[in-house]
Amino acid sequence: GAGVSQSPRYKVTKRGQDVALRCDPISGHVSLYWYRQALGQGPEFLTYFNYEAQQDKSGLPNDRFSAERPEGSISTLTIQRTEQRDSAMYRCASSSYTGAVTQYFGPGTRLLVL
Amino acid sequence: AQSVAQPEDQVNVAEGNPLTVKCTYSVSGNPYLFWYVQYPNRGLQFLLKYITGDNLVKGSYGFEAEFNKSQTSFHLKKPSALVSDSALYFCAVSDTGGFKTIFGAGTRLFVKA
Repeated sequence: GAGVSQSPRYKVTKRGQDVALRCDPISGHVSLYWYRQALGQGPEFLTYFNYEAQQDKSGLPNDRFSAERPEGSISTLTIQRTEQRDSAMYRCASSSYTGAVTQYFGPGTRLLVL
Repeated sequence: AQSVAQPEDQVNVAEGNPLTVKCTYSVSGNPYLFWYVQYPNRGLQFLLKYITGDNLVKGSYGFEAEFNKSQTSFHLKKPSALVSDSALYFCAVSDTGGFKTIFGAGTRLFVKA
């Protein structure tokens, strides 16, 4: 595709529900990154993949958060038993190859947990 | 662990004047440094990066940044600001592997006509 796409763009859910956020990277991009951005803050690293392998998940806040990229393309970030503190913008980025290269960001999914 | 500091929450500058947005970093090993810009209701866009080589890096929209190893700084600069440069600017650093990227809190730039 022309750019990184994310869906849904907005998600409102009730506390305790599970949510799945989708990221569709630029076609052919090897690496995929997930970030969380609170209002007025910079993106906070969550996890990243090279192809289908999750290389670093040190930024995931707790075990309610998980991510997968089973075929090395689309990725899903899942938050189980959501809490109000999970409310934030969740951003996905992809890059054409591994390493210190330009990351192309998607528009983000704004999650609101009531 | 790597970290980034953007000491200014906001920078105000008049159109046509030079602008500087400050960034300092901490990382083990050689740093990979980036600047991204975020316009209202839009995603982050890459401006420029420093990996190795010339300390002065030129990027998109006339922006440049200078890597200073002794001061562990990577300040963003532009010789003549435009009103359209008004946005939120993020400095970011990766360790030598270049995978895990840490972003600063951001600096909001206001350029007044």
